[in-house]
Amino acid sequence: AQKVTQAQTEISVVEKEDVTLDCVYETRDTTYYLFWYKQPPSGELVFLIRRNSFDEQNEISGRYSWNFQKSTSSFNFTITASQVVDSAVYFCALSEETSGSRLTFGEGTQLTVNP
Amino acid sequence: DAGVIQSPRHEVTEMGQEVTLRCKPISGHNSLFWYRQTMMRGLELLIYFNNNVPIDDSGMPEDRFSAKMPNASFSTLKIQPSEPRDSAVYFCASSLRISNTGELFFGEGSRLTVL
Repeated sequence: AQKVTQAQTEISVVEKEDVTLDCVYETRDTTYYLFWYKQPPSGELVFLIRRNSFDEQNEISGRYSWNFQKSTSSFNFTITASQVVDSAVYFCALSEETSGSRLTFGEGTQLTVNP
Repeated sequence: DAGVIQSPRHEVTEMGQEVTLRCKPISGHNSLFWYRQTMMRGLELLIYFNNNVPIDDSGMPEDRFSAKMPNASFSTLKIQPSEPRDSAVYFCASSLRISNTGELFFGEGSRLTVL
Protein backbone atom coordinates (compact mmCIF):
# COMPACT_ATOMS: atom_id res chain seq x y z
CA ALA A 1 0.00 0.00 0.00
CA GLN A 2 1.17 3.49 -0.69
CA LYS A 3 1.72 5.97 2.09
CA VAL A 4 3.11 9.46 2.44
CA THR A 5 4.30 10.89 5.74
CA GLN A 6 4.98 14.51 6.47
CA ALA A 7 6.18 14.47 10.05
CA GLN A 8 6.27 18.24 10.44
CA THR A 9 2.77 19.45 11.21
CA GLU A 10 3.71 23.10 11.54
CA ILE A 11 6.83 25.13 10.87
CA SER A 12 7.32 28.77 11.68
CA VAL A 13 10.24 30.80 10.35
CA VAL A 14 11.24 34.39 9.97
CA GLU A 15 11.38 35.93 6.54
CA LYS A 16 14.60 35.25 4.61
CA GLU A 17 15.32 32.05 6.49
CA ASP A 18 15.70 28.84 4.54
CA VAL A 19 13.24 26.09 5.40
CA THR A 20 13.02 22.41 4.46
CA LEU A 21 9.80 20.45 4.42
CA ASP A 22 10.24 16.71 4.83
CA CYS A 23 8.39 13.99 2.96
CA VAL A 24 8.85 10.25 3.33
CA TYR A 25 6.93 7.78 1.21
CA GLU A 26 6.22 4.07 1.07
CA THR A 27 5.45 2.09 -2.04
CA ARG A 28 5.96 -1.39 -3.42
CA ASP A 29 5.99 -0.22 -7.02
CA THR A 30 9.24 0.37 -8.84
CA THR A 31 7.57 3.00 -10.98
CA TYR A 32 5.91 5.84 -9.13
CA TYR A 33 5.53 9.58 -9.16
CA LEU A 34 6.00 12.16 -6.44
CA PHE A 35 4.36 15.55 -6.25
CA TRP A 36 4.31 18.68 -4.14
CA TYR A 37 1.24 20.89 -3.93
CA LYS A 38 0.77 24.21 -2.18
CA GLN A 39 -2.47 25.25 -0.49
CA PRO A 40 -2.44 28.98 0.32
CA PRO A 41 -4.94 30.51 2.76
CA SER A 42 -7.40 31.02 -0.10
CA GLY A 43 -7.81 27.24 -0.17
CA GLU A 44 -7.00 26.13 -3.70
CA LEU A 45 -4.39 23.46 -4.36
CA VAL A 46 -1.55 24.54 -6.60
CA PHE A 47 0.75 22.08 -8.34
CA LEU A 48 4.45 22.72 -7.74
CA ILE A 49 6.43 19.77 -9.05
CA ARG A 50 6.29 16.18 -10.25
CA ARG A 51 9.17 13.66 -10.24
CA ASN A 52 9.23 10.10 -11.47
CA SER A 53 11.00 7.31 -9.66
CA PHE A 54 13.68 6.96 -12.30
CA ASP A 55 14.87 10.52 -12.08
CA GLU A 56 16.75 11.26 -8.89
CA GLN A 57 18.21 14.51 -10.09
CA ASN A 58 17.55 17.33 -7.73
CA GLU A 59 15.57 20.19 -9.16
CA ILE A 60 15.74 23.91 -8.58
CA SER A 61 13.12 26.44 -9.58
CA GLY A 62 13.86 29.91 -8.34
CA ARG A 63 13.81 29.82 -4.56
CA TYR A 64 12.39 26.30 -4.55
CA SER A 65 14.44 23.13 -4.66
CA TRP A 66 13.64 19.47 -4.27
CA ASN A 67 15.86 16.64 -3.05
CA PHE A 68 14.74 13.18 -4.11
CA GLN A 69 16.57 10.27 -2.49
CA LYS A 70 15.32 6.77 -3.23
CA SER A 71 17.71 5.26 -0.70
CA THR A 72 15.80 6.95 2.11
CA SER A 73 12.43 7.14 0.33
CA SER A 74 12.39 10.87 0.79
CA PHE A 75 11.37 13.80 -1.37
CA ASN A 76 12.17 16.94 0.59
CA PHE A 77 11.32 20.47 -0.40
CA THR A 78 13.45 23.49 0.46
CA ILE A 79 12.47 27.13 0.20
CA THR A 80 15.44 29.46 0.18
CA ALA A 81 15.11 33.00 1.51
CA SER A 82 11.52 32.45 2.53
CA GLN A 83 8.92 35.17 2.06
CA VAL A 84 5.63 35.91 3.77
CA VAL A 85 3.81 34.86 0.59
CA ASP A 86 5.22 31.36 1.04
CA SER A 87 2.95 30.88 4.04
CA ALA A 88 0.68 27.98 3.14
CA VAL A 89 0.06 24.32 3.72
CA TYR A 90 2.32 22.15 1.60
CA PHE A 91 1.34 18.64 0.60
CA CYS A 92 3.54 15.87 -0.65
CA ALA A 93 1.79 13.22 -2.75
CA LEU A 94 2.49 9.89 -4.40
CA SER A 95 0.94 7.94 -7.23
CA GLU A 96 1.91 4.45 -8.23
CA GLU A 97 2.13 3.15 -11.77
CA THR A 98 -0.35 0.44 -10.89
CA SER A 99 -2.93 2.79 -9.45
CA GLY A 100 -3.33 5.21 -12.30
CA SER A 101 -3.72 8.84 -11.33
CA ARG A 102 -4.82 8.11 -7.80
CA LEU A 103 -2.83 10.52 -5.64
CA THR A 104 -2.16 9.68 -2.01
CA PHE A 105 -1.44 12.84 -0.05
CA GLY A 106 0.57 13.34 3.08
CA GLU A 107 -0.94 15.11 6.06
CA GLY A 108 0.48 18.44 5.01
CA THR A 109 2.87 20.89 6.66
CA GLN A 110 1.63 24.31 7.67
CA LEU A 111 4.40 26.79 6.94
CA THR A 112 4.18 30.24 8.47
CA VAL A 113 6.70 32.85 7.41
CA ASN A 114 6.74 35.82 9.73
CA PRO A 115 7.93 39.27 8.69
CA ASP B 1 -8.38 29.49 -19.95
CA ALA B 2 -10.80 28.88 -17.15
CA GLY B 3 -9.69 26.45 -14.49
CA VAL B 4 -11.77 23.82 -12.78
CA ILE B 5 -15.00 25.43 -11.66
CA GLN B 6 -16.85 24.23 -8.60
CA SER B 7 -20.16 25.30 -7.13
CA PRO B 8 -21.31 26.19 -4.63
CA ARG B 9 -18.23 27.59 -2.89
CA HIS B 10 -19.97 27.36 0.46
CA GLU B 11 -22.98 25.38 1.56
CA VAL B 12 -24.60 25.20 4.95
CA THR B 13 -27.36 22.70 5.37
CA GLU B 14 -29.16 20.73 8.02
CA MET B 15 -28.69 17.08 8.76
CA GLY B 16 -30.85 14.92 6.54
CA GLN B 17 -30.93 17.31 3.61
CA GLU B 18 -29.68 16.42 0.17
CA VAL B 19 -26.51 18.16 -0.99
CA THR B 20 -25.33 18.40 -4.58
CA LEU B 21 -21.87 19.67 -5.45
CA ARG B 22 -21.02 20.53 -9.03
CA CYS B 23 -17.85 20.56 -11.05
CA LYS B 24 -16.86 21.72 -14.50
CA PRO B 25 -13.45 20.36 -15.48
CA ILE B 26 -10.97 22.10 -17.72
CA SER B 27 -12.01 21.77 -21.33
CA GLY B 28 -10.18 18.91 -23.01
CA HIS B 29 -9.31 17.10 -19.81
CA ASN B 30 -10.54 13.54 -19.78
CA SER B 31 -9.99 12.58 -16.16
CA LEU B 32 -11.93 13.98 -13.23
CA PHE B 33 -11.38 13.43 -9.52
CA TRP B 34 -13.37 14.19 -6.37
CA TYR B 35 -11.36 14.66 -3.17
CA ARG B 36 -12.50 15.45 0.35
CA GLN B 37 -10.40 17.39 2.85
CA THR B 38 -10.95 17.25 6.60
CA MET B 39 -8.74 18.03 9.55
CA MET B 40 -8.93 14.46 10.78
CA ARG B 41 -8.34 12.57 7.54
CA GLY B 42 -6.56 15.08 5.34
CA LEU B 43 -7.08 14.80 1.58
CA GLU B 44 -8.87 11.65 0.50
CA LEU B 45 -9.75 10.53 -3.00
CA LEU B 46 -13.45 9.70 -3.20
CA ILE B 47 -13.85 8.73 -6.86
CA TYR B 48 -12.37 9.36 -10.24
CA PHE B 49 -13.62 9.18 -13.81
CA ASN B 50 -11.87 8.64 -17.09
CA ASN B 51 -13.74 9.62 -20.23
CA ASN B 52 -16.89 10.03 -18.10
CA VAL B 53 -16.69 6.47 -16.78
CA PRO B 54 -16.12 5.86 -13.06
CA ILE B 55 -12.84 4.02 -12.67
CA ASP B 56 -12.40 3.77 -8.92
CA ASP B 57 -15.04 4.62 -6.35
CA SER B 58 -13.48 2.72 -3.49
CA GLY B 59 -12.99 5.95 -1.59
CA MET B 60 -16.68 6.79 -1.48
CA PRO B 61 -17.55 6.58 2.21
CA GLU B 62 -20.93 4.91 1.97
CA ASP B 63 -24.11 4.61 -0.01
CA ARG B 64 -25.19 8.09 0.93
CA PHE B 65 -22.57 9.37 -1.49
CA SER B 66 -22.97 9.16 -5.24
CA ALA B 67 -21.16 10.78 -8.17
CA LYS B 68 -22.05 11.14 -11.80
CA MET B 69 -20.42 12.46 -14.90
CA PRO B 70 -23.09 12.69 -17.61
CA ASN B 71 -20.75 14.37 -20.07
CA ALA B 72 -17.17 15.56 -20.42
CA SER B 73 -17.89 18.99 -19.04
CA PHE B 74 -19.90 18.30 -15.92
CA SER B 75 -19.86 16.16 -12.80
CA THR B 76 -21.88 16.06 -9.60
CA LEU B 77 -21.25 14.68 -6.15
CA LYS B 78 -24.41 14.07 -4.19
CA ILE B 79 -24.87 13.32 -0.51
CA GLN B 80 -28.29 12.07 0.56
CA PRO B 81 -29.04 12.27 3.41
CA SER B 82 -26.27 14.49 4.71
CA GLU B 83 -24.80 14.10 8.20
CA PRO B 84 -22.64 16.43 10.32
CA ARG B 85 -19.60 14.20 9.78
CA ASP B 86 -19.80 15.00 6.06
CA SER B 87 -18.71 18.54 6.82
CA ALA B 88 -15.53 19.09 4.82
CA VAL B 89 -14.07 20.84 1.82
CA TYR B 90 -14.76 18.90 -1.35
CA PHE B 91 -12.35 19.40 -4.21
CA CYS B 92 -12.80 18.55 -7.82
CA ALA B 93 -9.72 18.13 -10.01
CA SER B 94 -9.15 17.32 -13.65
CA SER B 95 -6.26 15.97 -15.63
CA LEU B 96 -5.42 15.72 -19.28
CA ARG B 97 -4.99 11.97 -19.14
CA ILE B 98 -5.36 9.23 -16.62
CA SER B 99 -1.65 8.50 -16.67
CA ASN B 100 -0.17 9.43 -13.35
CA THR B 101 2.45 11.51 -15.04
CA GLY B 102 -0.15 14.20 -15.43
CA GLU B 103 -0.64 16.88 -12.85
CA LEU B 104 -4.04 17.45 -11.36
CA PHE B 105 -5.66 20.86 -11.65
CA PHE B 106 -7.83 21.54 -8.64
CA GLY B 107 -10.87 23.72 -8.28
CA GLU B 108 -11.22 26.12 -5.38
CA GLY B 109 -13.28 23.64 -3.42
CA SER B 110 -16.79 23.54 -1.99
CA ARG B 111 -16.92 24.02 1.77
CA LEU B 112 -19.81 22.01 3.18
CA THR B 113 -21.16 22.46 6.69
CA VAL B 114 -23.85 20.09 7.88
CA LEU B 115 -25.54 21.22 11.08
